[in-house]
Amino acid sequence: DSGVTQTPKHLITATGQRVTLRCSPRSGDLSVYWYQQSLDQGLQFLIQYYNGEERAKGNILERFSAQQFPDLHSELNLSSLELGDSALYFCASSLPGPGKFFGPGTRLTVL
Amino acid sequence: AQTVTQSQPEMSVQEAETVTLSCTYDTSESDYYLFWYKQPPSRQMILVIRQEAYKQQNATENRFSVNFQKAAKSFSLKISDSQLGDAAMYFCAYRSEYNQGGKLIFGQGTELSVKP
Repeated sequence: DSGVTQTPKHLITATGQRVTLRCSPRSGDLSVYWYQQSLDQGLQFLIQYYNGEERAKGNILERFSAQQFPDLHSELNLSSLELGDSALYFCASSLPGPGKFFGPGTRLTVL
Repeated sequence: AQTVTQSQPEMSVQEAETVTLSCTYDTSESDYYLFWYKQPPSRQMILVIRQEAYKQQNATENRFSVNFQKAAKSFSLKISDSQLGDAAMYFCAYRSEYNQGGKLIFGQGTELSVKP
């Protein structure tokens, strides 16, 4: 158990819809990272938040947004969903320093 | 931009034998970290081992060890005494020391199967 929690575990929705994925980092971790794992793109970094502020941005679509709340949990919002957004979405957290602890992921299926 | 390449999409090893997974990376930075992550069928990402670029000594974690060749930008993972539970997808990852917020850049992965 990495200590990082993600909900829901599975999400099935239709094209054009909007979903919210939730992540709670390990106790004491200030950073939250979101990654997308898909068959064609592999594991890709989406966005990082540190103590409530956006720290780094990767290959995140404009239809996607994220935020980190004062209690340090984070939400990834995906809107106008397309079939190609079907993927496993991971959240990871870390203390200052190397290494990341990953959550169990949310599997998103867009039909 | 940094890149990570794993040239072996699939590897196979006999139980109790040793296997080496390859990883090369490209960077112009001198300070960075390298990692191997394991992703079993459960899809959980598990940190196997990490290497700091400034350390010449290769990292070791029980049956897992790395061969870090900084000049060649190579970072291979050796699994000794392979066990059935080692069967998984293995990802090599790079993290800059200074830039880009500490994000991980992953290779494409190597799927390891272990034969009994």
